[in-house]
Amino acid sequence: GAGVSQSPSNKVTEKGKDVELRCDPISGHTALYWYRQSLGQGLEFLIYFQGNSAPDKSGLPSDRFSAERTGGSVSTLTIQRTQQEDSAVYLCASSLSRGLAGVNEQFFGPGTRLTVL
Amino acid sequence: DQQVKQNSPSLSVQEGRISILNCDYTNSMFDYFLWYKKYPAEGPTFLISISSIKDKNEDGRFTVFLNKSAKHLSLHIVPSQPGDSAVYFCAVNFGNEKLTFGTGTRLTIIP
Repeated sequence: GAGVSQSPSNKVTEKGKDVELRCDPISGHTALYWYRQSLGQGLEFLIYFQGNSAPDKSGLPSDRFSAERTGGSVSTLTIQRTQQEDSAVYLCASSLSRGLAGVNEQFFGPGTRLTVL
Repeated sequence: DQQVKQNSPSLSVQEGRISILNCDYTNSMFDYFLWYKKYPAEGPTFLISISSIKDKNEDGRFTVFLNKSAKHLSLHIVPSQPGDSAVYFCAVNFGNEKLTFGTGTRLTIIP
């Protein structure tokens, strides 16, 4: 079965340009997450979508970052007016909702490596 | 405010010996603890988890120990194999769905 896929795998852009990163979650997974990993850092939570609920945007570092999830499936993370500090690997994950209890096992995609020159 | 800390950025272990990876957390309300493994150019993959109501969970060569009084989590790998060389992240889950990750420990198994 297909796992989480992300595109592009690598993106090099110039400072000030906008970029869009795409995530295709595992079919049937209701929850979708975006994280980023900067050089030498852990995984930093960005945003979380669960079904039709309003997304949890508490991790977005600035208003230049936004994300949407269309039809409860594919998600796009958009970074406007990119800065050099935005350079990182952007990871998408999906999971089944854990309901009332249980561990939330998230399945990750391979990531998009973003380099802002 | 780092809620999850992995104080050892790297660890080298001889093949066949035990690898012990450590993680400390600050919030006693966390209810699930997870370990993820990451190879270069790949996304993290889930390895093993433990509920806060337990103190040990074992899966093959991997055992996770939880010490709630010390707010400490550890992953034991025995015997260590070359394929275990990777970056290991601990993660915690509280109530909602998002995970909070540590900064990772790079494990190198020496043949």
